[in-house]
Amino acid sequence: TQLLEQSPQFLSIQEGENLTVYCNSSSVFSSLQWYRQEPGEGPVLLVTVVTGGEVKKLKRLTFQFGDARKDSSLHITAAQPGDTGLYLCAGHRTYKYIFGTGTRLKVLA
Amino acid sequence: GAGVSQSPSNKVTEKGKDVELRCDPISGHTALYWYRQRLGQGLEFLIYFQGNSAPDKSGLPSDRFSAERTGESVSTLTIQRTQQEDSAVYLCASSYATSYEQYFGPGTRLTVT
Repeated sequence: TQLLEQSPQFLSIQEGENLTVYCNSSSVFSSLQWYRQEPGEGPVLLVTVVTGGEVKKLKRLTFQFGDARKDSSLHITAAQPGDTGLYLCAGHRTYKYIFGTGTRLKVLA
Repeated sequence: GAGVSQSPSNKVTEKGKDVELRCDPISGHTALYWYRQRLGQGLEFLIYFQGNSAPDKSGLPSDRFSAERTGESVSTLTIQRTQQEDSAVYLCASSYATSYEQYFGPGTRLTVT
């Protein structure tokens, strides 16, 4: 059973465009994380959101945790080729992390 | 400081052979996780170690899979009688027990021919 669904699965955009990736679940999580993974490497943590409704910004990336702590979004402003990669959300419950299906982003120069 | 390291980085094995994958967590991290990532997909939880507590093995897909950890250091994931469907990247992550943050190794790419 896949508890975390990400959308879209694939996204190919031009440099400078904005985009939003969604992470949805019917389950409540104590926190939610976003990772970026590049080919041949392990995922790298971008952000952790803990409080319902929380918004965090990391340069051009904006992360939001849903009020009910069941969903999250990642918005990238003015995407750059360096943003290319696989974006993964992960919900944290007790000691376990449930990973989403992933969104593969390609930003074309 | 040093991050999580895994070895080997790549492993090609014949169907039916046993393989052993190794993970060296960050020093001081008491929690250690193993995940499997099939091509183009998200991460599938396999097993969790926390200090000297009994590990959570609920994610291991079959009894061909086993893992051990010595204290709060090195862990090994063993796959016996490998099958082609075991082909994947196996990722290890460690964290402080009370932290939300996991740190991942680069993974071991396993190919079963």
